[in-house]
Parts: sequence; C-alpha cells; structure tokens
Amino acid sequence: NAGVTQTPKFRVLKTGQSMTLLCAQDMNHEYMYWYRQDPGMGLRLIHYSVGEGTTAKGEVPDGYNVSRLKKQNFLLGLESAAPSQTSVYFCASSHGQGVTGELFFGEGSRLTVL
Amino acid sequence: KNEVEQSPQNLTAQEGEFITINCSYSVGISALHWLQQHPGGGIVSLFMLSSGKKKHGRLIATINIQEKHSSLHITASHPRDSAVYICAGGNQFYFGTGTSLTVIP
Repeated sequence: NAGVTQTPKFRVLKTGQSMTLLCAQDMNHEYMYWYRQDPGMGLRLIHYSVGEGTTAKGEVPDGYNVSRLKKQNFLLGLESAAPSQTSVYFCASSHGQGVTGELFFGEGSRLTVL
Repeated sequence: KNEVEQSPQNLTAQEGEFITINCSYSVGISALHWLQQHPGGGIVSLFMLSSGKKKHGRLIATINIQEKHSSLHITASHPRDSAVYICAGGNQFYFGTGTSLTVIP
C-alpha cells in the first residue's frame, strides 16, 4: 500500500526559480494538507483542501500556490523560490476532521533554496 | 503564542523507565493527535482521541477536555522509542513543537 507519496524527495533551487511538489494519496481521502517543518518550530499549515477542486489558506500561505484538480493529488507550487522557503515539506491526508481525521503523512520533501 | 504547547522539549531516560509527555492546548478541538517522528524519517500517527484514554501496546494516551490537557505515557521504555513526539489539535491542525525523547540502553 502506497499511502501518501511525495515527489521529489530532495530538491535544490536557486532564488527565483519555480517548482512543484506533488502529493498523491491512494486512500480516497477528502482532506489533504501541505505543511512545512523548520528547526525549533512545529509543523505549520501552508494550504489545505477539503475536496477535489477546493483549496484554502493555512497559517503560512505566502509564496505558495496549490491545486487539487484530482481527488488523489494535491500540488504545492513555488512560483519564485526564496531562501526563506528552505524547509522540509510534508503532505498529509485524512478521511475527515475531528474523530475521523486520522492523519497519514508522506515521507517529506527536503527543499533547499540557494 | 502557540495554540499547542508541549513539555518537556527534550527528555532523556534509561531503558525501562516510565515516560510522560504533556500537551496543553488553547484551541477548541474535537480530537487530539499524537504523532511520532523518527530522526530523518516520516511522521506516523500514534493516537487520535477525543475523550478518556487509549492504549496501544506500551503507549497510553489520555485527554482531559475540561482542562485542555493530554498526556502520552510510555511504559517500559526502549531505545527504539527514541523519536520526536508531537501533539496536534484543531480542525486545521495546530502542532506542538515536539518532545525529543532519547532512551539510553
């Protein structure tokens, strides 16, 4: 069982370059999330989606865009990367929220912006 | 201001010790999550609870909704329990900064 798969696992970018992180889940989950994890800080929500075709901003959305054209995929885009976006990015999915909201995480994508 | 606060931040224990990690939250939640992250590794869900207590093997999680507090207990700790433990709550998932646990043989 694949669960939640993130690609790529590692990427190095130069300031100003663009890239897209792909998150794919095979559990038919409605909810999908993108987080970033930085040293000394908890996971912070960037954007999330409550279903196909929907997206919403989280705590730290600036500099990122997302799309959920298919239920199983949630894409995170950086249009013009900045060194402050150097981080480890995690995608997660859940069936619902609250008591039906068990989170399933991808393995993470380490992004370095020079 | 952190909506979810964990303590302690770091914890070192001898193998076999009983361990407690605490989580306090200020947001309204319908469920609280405990997660585990091994060094360099991904994140896995340990517990999701909305009341009372849950037990999986040597791990026990409790929650007091009125006091907005949850605890994660590890009985008979083992070096393989060394990891970062994270609590999270709220529909948009507010996360604590994690408790780094090291269990020494």
